[in-house]
Amino acid sequence: DSGVTQTPKHLITATGQRVTLRCSPRSGDLSVYWYQQSLDQGLQFLIQYYNGEERAKGNILERFSAQQFPDLHSELNLSSLELGDSALYFCASSVGGTAGNTIYFGEGSWLTVV
Amino acid sequence: EDQVTQSPEALRLQEGESSSLNCSYTVSGLRGLFWYRQDPGKGPEFLFTLYSAGEEKEKERLKATLTKKESFLHITAPKPEDSATYLCAVQAPNSGNTPLVFGKGTRLSVIA
Repeated sequence: DSGVTQTPKHLITATGQRVTLRCSPRSGDLSVYWYQQSLDQGLQFLIQYYNGEERAKGNILERFSAQQFPDLHSELNLSSLELGDSALYFCASSVGGTAGNTIYFGEGSWLTVV
Repeated sequence: EDQVTQSPEALRLQEGESSSLNCSYTVSGLRGLFWYRQDPGKGPEFLFTLYSAGEEKEKERLKATLTKKESFLHITAPKPEDSATYLCAVQAPNSGNTPLVFGKGTRLSVIA
């Protein structure tokens, strides 16, 4: 158990809908990351927050957004969902927000868009 | 552009048959190289961090080593429970906006 908690574990939704994925980082970690993993692709970085502020951005679609709240939990919002958004979404956390910090991953949220 | 390449893509071993997985990288100013284990449908599980060439770390049957351009994950006398995908990732100050750049992984199967 990495200490990173993600909910929900599984969800199925229809195209065009909007979902919110939630993440609680490890105790003491200030940085939160979101990654997407599709069947045919490796782990793709989406976005990073550090202590409530956006720190780095990857190839995150405009239909996706995220935020980190004062209690350090984070939410990833996915809207206007398409079939291709079906994937495993991982949240990860680290103590610091810069290179050199070990990043610990949660168990992921399986999203299926039908 | 920074790149991480893992080989082989897949590896099938008999129980007890030792082998090595390779991770080669092209980054400027490596800040850390990470090994993770991922079981199907699960999150990557942290194994090791290596920071400088010559560094080695061990955990049970696994040993990770680092040179200036590649890292090896040595598996000694593997057991079926070692079957998983092993991911390598690097961090560098100029990795753009990507805190961790991952390779595609090596799928390891250990047969009893």
